[in-house]
Amino acid sequence: GQQVMQIPQYQHVQEGEDFTTYCNSSTTLSNIQWYKQRPGGHPVFLIQLVKSGEVKKQKRLTFQFGEAKKNSSLHITATQTTDVGTYFCAGLDLNTGNQFYFGTGTSLTVIP
Amino acid sequence: GAGVSQSPSNKVTEKGKDVELRCDPISGHTALYWYRQRLGQGLEFLIYFQGNSAPDKSGLPSDRFSAERTGESVSTLTIQRTQQEDSAVYLCASSPGPQQGGYTFGSGTRLTVV
Repeated sequence: GQQVMQIPQYQHVQEGEDFTTYCNSSTTLSNIQWYKQRPGGHPVFLIQLVKSGEVKKQKRLTFQFGEAKKNSSLHITATQTTDVGTYFCAGLDLNTGNQFYFGTGTSLTVIP
Repeated sequence: GAGVSQSPSNKVTEKGKDVELRCDPISGHTALYWYRQRLGQGLEFLIYFQGNSAPDKSGLPSDRFSAERTGESVSTLTIQRTQQEDSAVYLCASSPGPQQGGYTFGSGTRLTVV
């Protein structure tokens, strides 16, 4: 079955430092989405990437979809305490179904 | 409604009892998903509905778990003869269609089996 792995599992950064989480799929993906889950909260949709090599930005967040559509990354520039939470990628492989499979998540702690 | 609504928000049950969890998706969203999230863990896919049919039930952990959906509206997830390992947050999400847009999640039902 489809597997979506994320690294690192945990990351502690000093406020103002940059942060990157990487998402890797065992299969080629049609689309990839990113979600943020604040502590005690539920996942909230951030963005969807569809095209090979696509790069999208949301303020300090940069999302990238790999050329082979098997990996993706989320980069946060100059982290703030409001960035704390767990970031999940979710991949859609139309060969295995019509639902997105969620990655294992990266938990980000920002030290003020 | 404006968002995905789940009830109850918290449920404590005795081992061996049956529980029913409810999800009210965003109006007009044809796709509905159930996930399980154990403490500090990722999201485990359980089942996906398109309309009131379930094309993918592959994530249901055992035959104690079942789910149904009425039309393109409310869904219920039923766990029979609950076990302690069923303790988790059960999240429901909906989307306009199976591959359309991001998922909107409800706040979840925290199930504790004692």
